[in-house]
Amino acid sequence: SQQGEEDPQALSIQEGENATMNCSYKTSINNLQWYRQNSGRGLVHLILIRSNEREKHSGRLRVTLDTSKKSSSLLITASRAADTASYFCATDANDYKLSFGAGTTVTVRA
Amino acid sequence: DTGVSQDPRHKITKRGQNVTFRCDPISEHNRLYWYRQTLGQGPEFLTYFQNEAQLEKSRLLSDRFSAERPKGSFSTLEIQRTEQGDSAMYLCASSPIAGGQETQYFGPGTRLLVL
Repeated sequence: SQQGEEDPQALSIQEGENATMNCSYKTSINNLQWYRQNSGRGLVHLILIRSNEREKHSGRLRVTLDTSKKSSSLLITASRAADTASYFCATDANDYKLSFGAGTTVTVRA
Repeated sequence: DTGVSQDPRHKITKRGQNVTFRCDPISEHNRLYWYRQTLGQGPEFLTYFQNEAQLEKSRLLSDRFSAERPKGSFSTLEIQRTEQGDSAMYLCASSPIAGGQETQYFGPGTRLLVL
């Protein structure tokens, strides 16, 4: 079963705009990770946020975590065509297996 | 290239045949994971190894599936008597052990199509 749920399922934006996607989960976690997947490829790790952290930045990425609401958000600023991909949140509840959501498909239009 | 590698990248087989996939993790990583991803879904955990020991298997891993990691290095995933429902992307990932909460690094995956 998949714990995380991303919202929206799909997002289409103009190059240069910001993209925001959300992830909700059901059980307590140790950390939450965001991954990117280009069509038909493997997953690329973007960022990991621990349960005692509230916000984290990496380049154009900003991730927030609200453990009281069991939710996280990923913001991509100043989007580029190369950001077109599917984005997955994955929760780590027990130090080994990750539980992924179904993902948000982001299309960045030139 | 020092990332996780998987072989083959694509496999087409007929129903009832056996297939075997290989994963080579990042060399210093003690943990190795297998996931399965079907179209339009996120990956689902199948099993994981710490060194050569297989520590957990998902209920998704029927008795037709077997995974090994001899000597704690590369791993193989075998599917016997394949069924059309086995068609999916099989992803391997690895991570170090460092008190937990470590990033899992994924390989490019093996896409299986069962005809």
